[in-house]
Amino acid sequence: ETVLTQSPGTLSLSPGERATLSCRASQSLGRNYLAWYRRKPGQAPRLLIYGASNRATGIPDRFSGSGSGTDFTLTIRRLEPEDFAVYFCQQYDNPPPTFGQGTKVEIK
Amino acid sequence: EVQLVESGEDLVQPGGSLRLSCAASGFILSSYIMEWVRQAPGKGLEYVSAITSNGDNTYYADSVKGRFTISRDNSKNILYLHMGSLRAEDTAVYYCVRVGMGPGWYFDLWGRGTLVTVSS
Repeated sequence: ETVLTQSPGTLSLSPGERATLSCRASQSLGRNYLAWYRRKPGQAPRLLIYGASNRATGIPDRFSGSGSGTDFTLTIRRLEPEDFAVYFCQQYDNPPPTFGQGTKVEIK
Repeated sequence: EVQLVESGEDLVQPGGSLRLSCAASGFILSSYIMEWVRQAPGKGLEYVSAITSNGDNTYYADSVKGRFTISRDNSKNILYLHMGSLRAEDTAVYYCVRVGMGPGWYFDLWGRGTLVTVSS
């Protein structure tokens, strides 16, 4: 199965700063079927990006996804208080779907 | 409100059985492929099972094949996961997820999860 490795494990930033999160796949995602989610404590995870770069409904444009093949990036242009959470990637290109272990974005 | 709400949280002995339910509201369940995903303590998320919109096709992770059964009642807007021959390694929070309209099977709606603990 395709292993997803996210880095860094933890990102310490201040509100208003830019966050850059990485997700690397152990084998190429030929159709770039990669999604990003945000999970806040006590809440259901929320889809942010699908197809590597498509924002989900209702997701503000400070979130952007990029990349192809094996290397993907989630960028949060200016961190808002609600953005301090755990982010994880998921590939749905090569069955079975698999997930990264997550990156925690914490307040510095 | 569009949401998924899981239920069925319990402590079960090894070898036991349990049924999880997921109630969908705010949308028509029969229009969507649905899945179960789990996260064991200290581990990452793991795909468990999927079912097509009309229930004709089901899919399972190797780790649960032959022990778990996914089903749905579209008339009641409920998704189920029947879990049998439970093992300690099945201990996890189980999430009900809705597959987006594509292309590809990403998850556009998640429940908050329900905890299954397998222990003697």
